[in-house]
Amino acid sequence: DGGITQSPKYLFRKEGQNVTLSCEQNLNHDAMYWYRQDPGQGLRLIYYSQIVNDFQKGDIAEGYSVSREKKESFPLTVTSAQKNPTAFYLCASSMTGIEELFFGEGSRLTVL
Amino acid sequence: GIQVEQSPPDLILQEGANSTLRCNFSDSVNNLQWFHQNPWGQLINLFYIPSGTKQNGRLSATTVATERYSLLYISSSQTTDSGVYFCAAPNAGGTSYGKLTFGQGTILTVHP
Repeated sequence: DGGITQSPKYLFRKEGQNVTLSCEQNLNHDAMYWYRQDPGQGLRLIYYSQIVNDFQKGDIAEGYSVSREKKESFPLTVTSAQKNPTAFYLCASSMTGIEELFFGEGSRLTVL
Repeated sequence: GIQVEQSPPDLILQEGANSTLRCNFSDSVNNLQWFHQNPWGQLINLFYIPSGTKQNGRLSATTVATERYSLLYISSSQTTDSGVYFCAAPNAGGTSYGKLTFGQGTILTVHP
């Protein structure tokens, strides 16, 4: 089935460690996004990519990094520079970037 | 950037009741999306509705872009409708490129 797959669903890490969250889509979408959600809040954009080998910062990019080497993959690294990394992370994609946005099931990161 | 406000913040219903959720946005937009976040955190697309009215079963949505608001109607509510409802609109500039600004959400609880 077509969709967006995020892994892992749950992740625990010690403070100071880098963590990479995976996002894969088989929808043949050009555009991909990473959002962060804190408890009781809406979603905030971290990074987005409209085409392979290109990406832009969103509203809260500090402490995060991404790559877009393949159309179907958009991994997010939460670095030790991110001061408050514990959150729910959602990956999304859309056909061309100006159409409807679809989300994966999310990855819940807890930093101990 | 664009501001998105949702009301009410919380809503408690008895099964079978109808409800209306509202989304106000501060700037003109060329698309508007409604999502339902289930208890497991997954965001389910409800409507992609730049303007006009759409219906899907017991749910319908209306966007009046000129007056900068959108409404989500839930009729004959069921316990499975519980969760958080988000609306989201593109950031300033009118381009959508997935750079959606989310409202804070409406928490809906439907009691049997």
